[in-house]
Amino acid sequence: KQEVTQIPAALSVPEGENLVLNCSFTDSAIYNLQWFRQDPGKGLTSLLLIQSSQREQTSGRLNASLDKSSGRSTLYIAASQPGDSATYLCAVRSGTYKYIFGTGTRLKVLA
Amino acid sequence: GAGVSQSPSNKVTEKGKDVELRCDPISGHTALYWYRQRLGQGLEFLIYFQGNSAPDKSGLPSDRFSAERTGESVSTLTIQRTQQEDSAVYLCASSQGVVVDTQYFGPGTRLTVL
Repeated sequence: KQEVTQIPAALSVPEGENLVLNCSFTDSAIYNLQWFRQDPGKGLTSLLLIQSSQREQTSGRLNASLDKSSGRSTLYIAASQPGDSATYLCAVRSGTYKYIFGTGTRLKVLA
Repeated sequence: GAGVSQSPSNKVTEKGKDVELRCDPISGHTALYWYRQRLGQGLEFLIYFQGNSAPDKSGLPSDRFSAERTGESVSTLTIQRTQQEDSAVYLCASSQGVVVDTQYFGPGTRLTVL
C-alpha cells in the first residue's frame, strides 16, 4: 500500500530565502507525482507534474525533482516571497488513476 | 475560462440528515474525482469517474456515501444519515483524462455536522 510522507509539517523562513520541501513515498512503482499548493479556504492548484520517466520539472522559481529508486521528491523554491505562504502537498499516482496525497507542509514566508 | 465549481461552499447540517454536494467540472474534462479532507489531514480519495466507464467507488467510507455523474458533466455526492465524523471539506477535481491528468480542483464544500 502506497504511503506518502511530507517533512517538515511546517516551516517558517524569512523572505528571500531558498528552501526545499520533501516528499517520500513507499512504493517506487509510480506513474507520476504532482506538487500542489493549497491556500486557506481554497482548493488545490497544481504546480508541477513529473512523469515517472522524468527527473525534474521547472516552472519559474519552482523546481521539482524525482528520484523513484529512493522514493523521494523535492520541491525547491528560490527567492521565497510572502505570497508563497501556503500549504504544499505532493501526490503520487501509482499505476491507476488514483492519487495518494501527503499531509502537506505549511509554509510561512515572513516579510 | 471557467474552472471547477462546487456548491454549496458551506453546509451546516444536523446529525442524521442527508446532504447533497455538487461539482461542475471544466467543460470537456472526462475524468472527475471526489476527495475528503479532514481538518489537518491530507486528501482522502473517495470516488473517480472516467467518461462512461463504471466509477471506481473503492474510496467511499461507507454505504451512506454515494455519487453520480451525468455523462461528462455535473456530479453529485450524497451523504445519507450524516454523522459528526463526516465533517470535512469535500473537494472535487477534474482532468482531461487518464493520460493527461493534471487535476484542477474546485474550492471545496465545507461540511459541518452538528
